[in-house]
Parts: sequence; structure tokens; C-alpha cells
Amino acid sequence: ETGVTQTPRHLVMGMTNKKSLKCEQHLGHNAMYWYKQSAKKPLELMFVYSLEERVENNSVPSRFSPECPNSSHLFLHLHTLQPEDSALYLCASSPEGTMGNTIYFGEGSWLTVV
Amino acid sequence: GESVGLHLPTLSVQEGDNSIINCAYSNSASDYFIWYKQESGKGPQFIIDIRSNMDKRQGQRVTVLLNKTVKHLSLQIAATQPGDSAVYFCAENMGGNTGNQFYFGTGTSLTVIP
Repeated sequence: ETGVTQTPRHLVMGMTNKKSLKCEQHLGHNAMYWYKQSAKKPLELMFVYSLEERVENNSVPSRFSPECPNSSHLFLHLHTLQPEDSALYLCASSPEGTMGNTIYFGEGSWLTVV
Repeated sequence: GESVGLHLPTLSVQEGDNSIINCAYSNSASDYFIWYKQESGKGPQFIIDIRSNMDKRQGQRVTVLLNKTVKHLSLQIAATQPGDSAVYFCAENMGGNTGNQFYFGTGTSLTVIP
């Protein structure tokens, strides 16, 4: 139990589908993140939310749309994805959105786009 | 942006031996480092961290060494056990005011031979 819960753990979707990934953290943290993990590549930061405000968007395609309704919940809305978007999507949280704070990851959502 | 590299992509050790996993970082401004362990099918798990004002930190069976002169980080695992088999990531943090920005390496795969 990491304190960061992601659902679903596995998702298969077609390129025309719309789906969402959900993340919930039980650690009382103020910052939440979405990372993408592809095979043999470093973790790629997608989005950062600090106190529910988006502070970082690393040029992620618009087919990925984040939502942070409160400091405990984070969503990643997916639409018209491409096969190359198949990856492990990791949610993480940290005590606050400033430097030098440990980030804690969830178990990830495995996404396959067919 | 800066990237974190690992010297060896794979490492095999005998059970009971000590393991050393290395990491090179390129940004001298990085001041906080974390080692993560990722088991198959799971998210990255925090192992140990170190700040740049230290050169060594010990945990339970693990030690992290930081050499700022050559921008090198290492993770030492004592008496390696089969449960230590996983991919290990080094992450560096350069600070900043726009979220908790970490950069990750691709990881080193550790295999413990019984």
C-alpha cells in the first residue's frame, strides 16, 4: 500500500474511445503528478498540480487532458489516442510543490491503445 | 533538460553478495537525489534519498553515496536477497518554483541469483 491509488490498473482502448484514469492519494499531500513510463525510456513528466493549480505541462499532446478537482484526486482524460501512447501511466504525489520533496508513486495504470 | 544516466543497464549478483548500482548526473545544480526500486508490474518505490550537503546516507541494508565532484551517485545493497531483484532508478531534483521537477534515468535491472 503506497498511499497513492490508481484505477484502473489495466485499460485497453480503441483510438476513437474516450476513457479516464483516476488517482487518489491518502497522504495529505498538496502536489500531484502524472508520469508516462515507456519501455527502456526514462520516466516522462506530463503534468504537475500544486494546490490544485496546474504548474507544469511538459508539452503533452492535447489528447491527454488532466483534471485536479481537489488535492486528493487527479484524473487523466484520454481521447483519440495513438498506439504509441501505450505505456504505463504513473500518478505520484508529494507534500508540496516545491523543491526537494520526495514524490511517492502509485502502482500505475497500464494502457494499451489498439 | 538534464538527464540522469546509469553506467550499467543490467546487473547480476549472487544472493548474499553486496550490490552496487551507479548513477551519473550532469547538472551540478541538482541538490536532492532519490533512489527508487521498481518491481515487475508495480510502481516505483522510494528506497532512500540524499541531499547535496551530505556525501553518505544509510538505511536498512542500503547506503547511498554522493560524489559531487564527479557528479556520481551510487546505491549499495548489503547482503542482496532475491526480493531485491528489480529495476533501480536514480532521480535528481534541480529545484525551482514550478513544481517538484525530478529527472529520472532509464534504470538498472538487478537480478539476484539464488
